[in-house]
Amino acid sequence: AQSVTQLGSHVSVSEGALVLLRCNYSSSVPPYLFWYVQYPNQGLQLLLKYTSAATLVKGINGFEAEFKKSETSFHLTKPSAHMSDAAEYFCAVKINNAGNMLTFGGGTRLMVKP
Amino acid sequence: DAMVIQNPRYQVTQFGKPVTLSCSQTLNHNVMYWYQQKSSQAPKLLFHYYDKDFNNEADTPDNFQSRRPNTSFCFLDIRSPGLGDAAMYLCATSGRTGTSVGQFFGPGTRLTVL
Repeated sequence: AQSVTQLGSHVSVSEGALVLLRCNYSSSVPPYLFWYVQYPNQGLQLLLKYTSAATLVKGINGFEAEFKKSETSFHLTKPSAHMSDAAEYFCAVKINNAGNMLTFGGGTRLMVKP
Repeated sequence: DAMVIQNPRYQVTQFGKPVTLSCSQTLNHNVMYWYQQKSSQAPKLLFHYYDKDFNNEADTPDNFQSRRPNTSFCFLDIRSPGLGDAAMYLCATSGRTGTSVGQFFGPGTRLTVL
């Protein structure tokens, strides 16, 4: 069965600093992986997705993630944090052979200090 | 723009008073999902429709029901809301397997139970 672990329920960075949000997955088959962002009182917005094409995936708002099979990781990064990046971030893996069903990680709340 | 719409955005109900939440989509997706999300937690899948086929998660309480009268609309009925049902309710859609990957979320309905 597929599963996702997000290390660190809270991450705090200074404005302009590197953002690194960690996601590790387990899957018996090549996975499809996603990062979603959720602002307060909003739904989930897709940031980026890995679907077995390029291992470095670029998303919206300057975020990118790299699929590393050897490390079973799909960490999310952004070179320079902006105040508007403060939100909850969820990593998810598609449950194979089940349409587009997803398993979510526990989420990481990103705080950006001025 | 194609989108997922949820109404109302905020709903207040009384303990035990039935409530219905609404979701509509203009994406023409055949799969629709309902999630419950409590504070600082990942979304929890309640059920989903694959076309008209209803799929209930094993641990979804009987208090939660759903209707999908057509492709565009899906409703979540909470027959007798308890204080523990206060949460954000998220609707999501996805296309047929192989045509698109991932789920598209609405903005959510925040339910308060008094």
